[in-house]
Amino acid sequence: QQQVKQSPQSLIVQKGGISIINCAYENTAFDYFPWYQQFPGKGPALLIAIRPDVSEKKEGRFTISFNKSAKQFSLHIMDSQPGDSATYFCAASSGTSYGKLTFGQGTILTVHP
Amino acid sequence: DAGVIQSPRHEVTEMGQEVTLRCKPISGHDYLFWYRQTMMRGLELLIYFNNNVPIDDSGMPEDRFSAKMPNASFSTLKIQPSEPRDSAVYFCASSEVPTAGQPQHFGDGTRLSIL
Repeated sequence: QQQVKQSPQSLIVQKGGISIINCAYENTAFDYFPWYQQFPGKGPALLIAIRPDVSEKKEGRFTISFNKSAKQFSLHIMDSQPGDSATYFCAASSGTSYGKLTFGQGTILTVHP
Repeated sequence: DAGVIQSPRHEVTEMGQEVTLRCKPISGHDYLFWYRQTMMRGLELLIYFNNNVPIDDSGMPEDRFSAKMPNASFSTLKIQPSEPRDSAVYFCASSEVPTAGQPQHFGDGTRLSIL
């Protein structure tokens, strides 16, 4: 019930390509869906987040698409750059405790120059 | 402005020893979180505090794990006795009141190896 399932585990993209990472959740009480980016040897850092009242949120090259009926959300990285190579985590939490994040397993993204 | 500071960055110790991980949150942040990251289980929330009081420790794996926050600028996560399966990267994070959109600021983690 509390799980967030993330795919793929790893992704290789050419520079300039589009990276797409998908997540699915079961708990319908979740109403906050952030994505965190983690570089090797560092802690995760908030990248972008969405609430279920919108179907899409865009910040620069990063876009979250949200499908409430399917209980799925995805991260799209447009014009992927080698500097985007990192591990990406989706997460979810609910209004009872927004701080109690449930994370997906993570996706290791490699962008080749 | 200093971020979340964790120490030590790396810890290698033998099974059965006591391990203490330390965290200094960002000044002014009332919430502090401890996470564990492993390849098998990903990033798991162990416990979090609000104003130095533990709010939810449901993620603490067993009684060998304990966490304290004696004041607003310091927290510890202790494992006693340690076991090889405790090997992981442990992260501390802090935030202001966790509303939707409020980021958690993570430290750079402690890589713990139990031999």
